[in-house]
Amino acid sequence: KQEVTQIPAALSVPEGENLVLNCSFTDSAIYNLQWFRQDPGKGLTSLLLIQSSQREQTSGRLNASLDKSSGRSTLYIAASQPGDSATYLCAVRTSGGSNYKLTFGKGTLLTVNP
Amino acid sequence: SAVISQKPSRDICQRGTSLTIQCQVDSQVTMMFWYRQQPGQSLTLIATANQGSEATYESGFVIDKFPISRPNLTFSTLTVSNMSPEDSSIYLCSVEHLYGYTFGSGTRLTVV
Repeated sequence: KQEVTQIPAALSVPEGENLVLNCSFTDSAIYNLQWFRQDPGKGLTSLLLIQSSQREQTSGRLNASLDKSSGRSTLYIAASQPGDSATYLCAVRTSGGSNYKLTFGKGTLLTVNP
Repeated sequence: SAVISQKPSRDICQRGTSLTIQCQVDSQVTMMFWYRQQPGQSLTLIATANQGSEATYESGFVIDKFPISRPNLTFSTLTVSNMSPEDSSIYLCSVEHLYGYTFGSGTRLTVV
């Protein structure tokens, strides 16, 4: 059974700081990994999708890496801004057959202080 | 990527009543997924809805409590039946496409 762990559970940083969020998963047979952002009481906004054959993806100030063999992904946020404050979720789609289910971590609550 | 319209965005309901949540997708999709997010927790898959067939429920979720309809390839509903305060959660629908998964904006349900 796939398990996804996100560290840290919460992070508070001053504006302008670069930061790294971590995600680990137990079953390396993944199809892809996706990072999402969730604002309080809202739905999920997709940030980056990394296919199993890829090592990293970049979008603006965000960079996500994937090391499938070690079961790890990181989300790097450069020059953080107060608007980046949200919960960041990592989700893994495990490959194989009809298993379309995503497994989510519990998220990292990020607060960027002005 | 797909765009999903989910309604209602929030509701406060009396225990024992039912609430139906709707999701409309702007393109045809084979499967739609329904998730629950309990307070302070991550997302848990309730069921997968295919058009023209019965939904497939995950362990711990049953059709009598969470009936799902999927009348066509762009629409689905989830009903939360005979609600209790323990059903207070955010409910989200989702679809998969070439660029990963897209989620609806969520329905924040409070049962009193």
